[in-house]
Amino acid sequence: KQEVTQIPAALSVPEGENLVLNCSFTDSAIYNLQWFRQDPGKGLTSLLLIQSSQREQTSGRLNASLDKSSGRSTLYIAASQPGDSATYLCAEHSGNTGKLIFGQGTTLQVKP
Amino acid sequence: GAVVSQHPSWVICKSGTSVKIECRSLDFQATTMFWYRQFPKQSLMLMATSNEGSKATYEQGVEKDKFLINHASLTLSTLTVTSAHPEDSSFYICSARDASRTDTQYFGPGTRLTVL
Repeated sequence: KQEVTQIPAALSVPEGENLVLNCSFTDSAIYNLQWFRQDPGKGLTSLLLIQSSQREQTSGRLNASLDKSSGRSTLYIAASQPGDSATYLCAEHSGNTGKLIFGQGTTLQVKP
Repeated sequence: GAVVSQHPSWVICKSGTSVKIECRSLDFQATTMFWYRQFPKQSLMLMATSNEGSKATYEQGVEKDKFLINHASLTLSTLTVTSAHPEDSSFYICSARDASRTDTQYFGPGTRLTVL
């Protein structure tokens, strides 16, 4: 059974700090891995998608890595800002079916 | 960018009534849409895969007679929660897979259902 785990469940940091969010998955033959942001009571915003043949993706202050051998992905946020406060979800793509298996999320608070 | 809408954004209903939630892809065709539910402070759990022109595929443990899914066109899927009960109260989110770019799917803003 494919499982996705995120640690920590919650994180609070001061503004300006660099931080890393962790995601682990059990499927060594992972298809794609995707990171999302969710604001309270809202839908999902896709941040980065890493295909199985890739090792990382970057967008602005965000960098996501994928290590299939260890079953881990990290989301690195540089120079965090209060506006980065949200819940961050990683999701494994179940083959090419389009189904996503989500982790429990990490709720980030960036204090001004 | 591509947009997926959901209607209504929130609904409050009495126990025993049925509620229909719409998911629309506004500027692309979606042969496949997905329905998720999210309980407070929990992650998203896939309920079913909605395929245009055919029956939906439900995940294990999801009652197909309870959660009716219809995907009658390439831009619209509906989820009907039949005979809703308070335990059905949740945040329902749909996503739509772009038929021309199968690695890409877009999420709707979600529908908050509260059953009294």
